[in-house]
Formats: sequence, structure tokens, C-alpha cells
Amino acid sequence: DSGVTQTPKHLITATGQRVTLRCSPRSGDLSVYWYQQSLDQGLQFLIQYYNGEERAKGNILERFSAQQFPDLHSELNLSSLELGDSALYFCASSVGNSGFTDTQYFGPGTRLTVL
Amino acid sequence: EDQVTQSPEALRLQEGESSSLNCSYTVSGLRGLFWYRQDPGKGPEFLFTLYSAGEEKEKERLKATLTKKESFLHITAPKPEDSATYLCAALTNAGKSTFGDGTTLTVKP
Repeated sequence: DSGVTQTPKHLITATGQRVTLRCSPRSGDLSVYWYQQSLDQGLQFLIQYYNGEERAKGNILERFSAQQFPDLHSELNLSSLELGDSALYFCASSVGNSGFTDTQYFGPGTRLTVL
Repeated sequence: EDQVTQSPEALRLQEGESSSLNCSYTVSGLRGLFWYRQDPGKGPEFLFTLYSAGEEKEKERLKATLTKKESFLHITAPKPEDSATYLCAALTNAGKSTFGDGTTLTVKP
């Protein structure tokens, strides 16, 4: 158990809908990262937040957005869902944003299925 | 564009047969190179972080090494429970992580 929690574990929805995935980082971690893992594209970095502020952006679509709240939990919002958005979505957390504290600990993931 | 390539894609070993997994990277400003183990349907589990060429780290039957262009994960006398997908990731100074596609290791008893 990494200490990172994600809800829900599974989500089934229809095309065009909007969903919200939630992540709680390990106690004491200030950085939260979101990743998408699909069969054909491997693990793709989406976005990173540090202490409430966006710090790094990867291959995140404009239909997707994220935020980190004052209690440090984070939410990933996916809208206008398409079949190709079906994937495992992982959240990871780390202590800080610089120096030698970059080790990321991953949550169990949310499996999103878009029908 | 940052790129991380892992080889081989799949590796089948007999129990006790040592081997190495390769991770080649081309990134702008490497801050750290990470190795993870991932079991099917689960989140990646952190194994090692390497920060500079020449650095080595060991954990049980695993040893990770780093050069300026690649990293190796050496597996000595593997056991069936070592079967998993091994991922490497390069973290840049800009804070971006790029993962390789992984090597799926199967160890037969």
C-alpha cells in the first residue's frame, strides 16, 4: 500500500459525458501527478500540481482539467468523453517539487470505461 | 522531444537465469531516472532513483545502473515472483516525466 488513495476504482460512462476522478496524496506529500495508461500508449504524464499550483504539464487534452485543493487532494475532470479516453488513470504523489525528493508513489488507479 | 525506449519488450527467463533490461533515454536536462515495477491492473511500485552517471543501486535481486544515455536493470537469479512489467521513467529539470513502454518479465519455475 503506497498511501495514495484514488476513487472511484471503476467508472463506466457514456460518450459525451463528464466525470471527476479523485486522489488523496500520501500524508506530507505536496506534489500530485496524474497519468493515463492505455494499452496502445503506455503510461502518459498528464499534469503535476505542487501545493495547489500547476507545475508541469504533459500530454493533457483541453477536454481534461485538474486542480489541487487546500487540503492537497486533487481532482481530474474529464469532459466530452470519447471512446479513446477509456484507460487506467493513476495519481501519484511526492514530497516536493525539487531537489532529491522526486520519488513518486502511485495510487491503485481508476479504471474508466467509456461506452 | 523527450524519448524513453525500453528493450526488450518481453523477456522470458528460467528461474535462476540472470539477465538485464535496458532503458535508453533522450531528454532535455535529466533530473532523475526512475525504475518501477508494475503488476497487472495495479499502480507502478517504486524501485530505484538514479541521479548521475555511474550511480548504482541494489535491492534484493535487482541492481540498477545509469550512464549518460541509458540505464540497466540487472536481475540476478530471478524467481517467479519477480514476474512483472518493469518501467523506467526520465524526469526532466522542467518537471516532466516520460515513461518507457516497459519490459514484461516472465520467470518460469
